[in-house]
Amino acid sequence: EVQLVESGGGLEQPGGSLRLSCAASGFTFNTYWMRWVRQAPGKGLEWVASIKGDGNEKYYVDSVKGRFTISRDNAKNSLFLQMNSLRADDTAVYYCARGGPGRSLDIWGQGTLVIVSS
Amino acid sequence: QSALTQPASVSGSPGQSITISCTGTSSDVGGYDYVSWYQQHPGKAPKVIIYEVINRPSGVSNRFSGSKSGSTASLTISGLQAEDEADYYCGSYASSGTPYVFGAGTKVTVL
Repeated sequence: EVQLVESGGGLEQPGGSLRLSCAASGFTFNTYWMRWVRQAPGKGLEWVASIKGDGNEKYYVDSVKGRFTISRDNAKNSLFLQMNSLRADDTAVYYCARGGPGRSLDIWGQGTLVIVSS
Repeated sequence: QSALTQPASVSGSPGQSITISCTGTSSDVGGYDYVSWYQQHPGKAPKVIIYEVINRPSGVSNRFSGSKSGSTASLTISGLQAEDEADYYCGSYASSGTPYVFGAGTKVTVL
């Protein structure tokens, strides 16, 4: 079964750091682009970052550039999002998603909740 | 402000057809056939129901169909059913700025 499972969310203070993980299974992980997408409470979807299968290309939404780092460990079929200098507006459910045909996001994890608050 | 424009809500009675629009620019929807549609039920992760404007993934009902004209893509749900009540988001590859953009979402209500 193709599956993505996120972990690492929680409550963090403004200015703090969190590292999200996404464990992939059921497909050849290193051949797919992977993405992080977030959804603030009661709001819509926002693409956050993407990484190529070999890890050599990375892209970020402007609001997280310089603060968040996307990475992957293909040997462990894992995707990561290192989040530093967290702000209140980073509060959201964070989903990892697989890059599918036509640049779609064809497989999604269940999401992990990040709350940034003092 | 989302890059793609969708109506906030659309409603219809069971059995009817409804259409959700998604308007972008020549840098995203209008320039590429990389438009997808996602269905999200409350408390659940999104699920892709249309990719590359018109294609349905395996297992998605053929009551869902997509189309595009210029910089506006559309999702049509025919034979509306209670289980179709959800939020629907369009998404597109974009060649300038953020490489992937979403619409703000449309809440579909089955009356």
